[in-house]
Amino acid sequence: AQTVTQSQPEMSVQEAETVTLSCTYDTSENNYYLFWYKQPPSRQMILVIRQEAYKQQNATENRFSVNFQKAAKSFSLKISDSQLGDTAMYFCAFMKPVSGSQGNLIFGKGTKLSVKP
Amino acid sequence: DGGITQSPKYLFRKEGQNVTLSCEQNLNHDAMYWYRQDPGQGLRLIYYSQIVNDFQKGDIAEGYSVSREKKESFPLTVTSAQKNPTAFYLCASRRGSAGDTQYFGPGTRLTVL
Repeated sequence: AQTVTQSQPEMSVQEAETVTLSCTYDTSENNYYLFWYKQPPSRQMILVIRQEAYKQQNATENRFSVNFQKAAKSFSLKISDSQLGDTAMYFCAFMKPVSGSQGNLIFGKGTKLSVKP
Repeated sequence: DGGITQSPKYLFRKEGQNVTLSCEQNLNHDAMYWYRQDPGQGLRLIYYSQIVNDFQKGDIAEGYSVSREKKESFPLTVTSAQKNPTAFYLCASRRGSAGDTQYFGPGTRLTVL
């Protein structure tokens, strides 16, 4: 069974600085999808970034980028130029790739990020 | 605007009562999901549905029931058999092709008094 581990329960960063959140996963699959979701105090889950395992290029979305290391089963999220609005819980999630499958997500327990002014 | 709605935002229930949480989407997504979130935990899957009139149990289905009579709707009933129902409940949907992203509703906070 797949598992997702986020080893940093809490982190903090100064505004405008860069922070990296860690995520590792365990799977025997060769093809899969990885996601980072953000959950601000409103508790709305928001997609931050998505990575397809068969693509070697790391995904980026504006200030958010990932470092995807397939052999190491590592999928870290880098937030550049941190803003106060980035304060949130961040969840890493894994999805198996089978077409028409359940598309179920397996979540890590999250990292609480605080951006300080 | 397309999206996923959940109602109510807050729900209070007395012990021994069943309660139904609503989830509606107008994204024309095939698949829908229910998750439970507890403090310090990630999201855990309760039930999911890939098509109308079909659904499967997730990891923590005991004490819950669902229906999928319409593509747009996937209500969750929390029954009196659920021993610790106080939690935050999130509904999600996705198109249904491999790797499609799940999108989430705003959630319902259920408190058992």
